[in-house]
Amino acid sequence: SQTIHQWPATLVQPVGSPLSLECTVEGTSNPNLYWYRQAAGRGLQLLFYSVGIGQISSEVPQNLSASRPQDRQFILSSKKLLLSDSGFYLCAWSRRGGRWHEQYFGPGTRLTVT
Amino acid sequence: GDSVTQMEGPVTLSEEAFLTINCTYTATGYPSLFWYVQYPGEGLQLLLKATKADDKGSNKGFEATYRKETTSFHLEKGSVQVSDSAVYFCALTPGGNMLTFGGGTRLMVKP
Repeated sequence: SQTIHQWPATLVQPVGSPLSLECTVEGTSNPNLYWYRQAAGRGLQLLFYSVGIGQISSEVPQNLSASRPQDRQFILSSKKLLLSDSGFYLCAWSRRGGRWHEQYFGPGTRLTVT
Repeated sequence: GDSVTQMEGPVTLSEEAFLTINCTYTATGYPSLFWYVQYPGEGLQLLLKATKADDKGSNKGFEATYRKETTSFHLEKGSVQVSDSAVYFCALTPGGNMLTFGGGTRLMVKP
């Protein structure tokens, strides 16, 4: 069976510090990978998605970047955090092919920028 | 572009009450429709899905019917429990890799 891991689970970082959140998927190959952010009291915002190693698409301009160094590893980064980066970050994966896709979400990372 | 609109919350119900959370969508073609649930402090879980018109998705006592004529996918449950308290997200995908989510509806069930 497939599992998706995210770490850390919670993180408190000062403004201006760097960020690295990691997501890994087990039990599947060539997944599509996604990073979402959920700000307090708001819905989900797609930040990045990737269809393969080194292939990253950005949905919104922002202070964040993403990388996919391995097939089942997806990293969200920032060089300098802003207060507005606080939120709940969710990683998800989906299978390739087929007419429709289900996305499977990780447990999330709660980031507080102080 | 594609969009999903959900009723604003929070929705507050007493235990065993009937639940309806409205969801309407705008999309070209024939999207697949989903309901996700997010329990406090956790990530999203797929609750149910429907892939074509008139399909009914169901799981854990929740149901939703894909209504193409009204572009709706309302979530219903006949008798809610305290453990159903969560945020519910309606979503669609037109068949590619991208999910478009609604803003989420918080459900609070009181004993």
